[in-house]
Amino acid sequence: SSELTQDPAVSVALGQTVRITCEGDSLRSNSASWYQQRPGQAPVLVIYGKNDRPSGIPDRFSGSTSGNTASLTITGAQAEDEADYYCTSRDGYAPWVFGGGTKVTVL
Amino acid sequence: QVQLVESGGGVVQPGGSLRLSCAASGFTFSVYGMHWVRQAPGKGLEWVAVVAFDGNRQDYAASVKGRFTISRDNSKNTMSLQLNSLRAEDTGVYYCARETTVTTVSRFDNWGQGTLVTVSS
Repeated sequence: SSELTQDPAVSVALGQTVRITCEGDSLRSNSASWYQQRPGQAPVLVIYGKNDRPSGIPDRFSGSTSGNTASLTITGAQAEDEADYYCTSRDGYAPWVFGGGTKVTVL
Repeated sequence: QVQLVESGGGVVQPGGSLRLSCAASGFTFSVYGMHWVRQAPGKGLEWVAVVAFDGNRQDYAASVKGRFTISRDNSKNTMSLQLNSLRAEDTGVYYCARETTVTTVSRFDNWGQGTLVTVSS
């Protein structure tokens, strides 16, 4: 079975930049999407496709992909960005697969 | 606005059954694939199942195949997940999510607030 690998946790100083990565074979042929989940809340889509943001998502969120690695970058992190972030993509084995999630702490 | 509302969660004994529902509003339900995604307590997201826009295709995660059945009723704008032979590891919050796909770019662009399933004796 395929899988997507994320670092479990990262921290960033307020106003600084943090990059979260997601690695997996499915990303070579399928685009990633990224979700923010604050404690006790449902996930929210923040990035999809090459680097698209749904309306209402701040432009400090951006995405990119190279080979089998997708990245989510928060430029100028704010306190409200502290959350868990998950990547996902279509997959040839199970139709969809999620990464294990990355907990972002804003210091 | 798009709204997805799950219901049907509760406490059930191992081996028991439960039926979850997702009521959709604010969009043309019959043209979107719909999914269930779950989250065990303190754990990450796990994709569970998908039903195609017309209900004619379903697919499941290996962990639930043969035990769970996804379906939809486009006349009522609802989706369901029948959970049978439940195990302790099926405990968690179950979310319904709408899939939007344009050419080859897919994403879950709307989520419900979730319904909690607890499997315990």
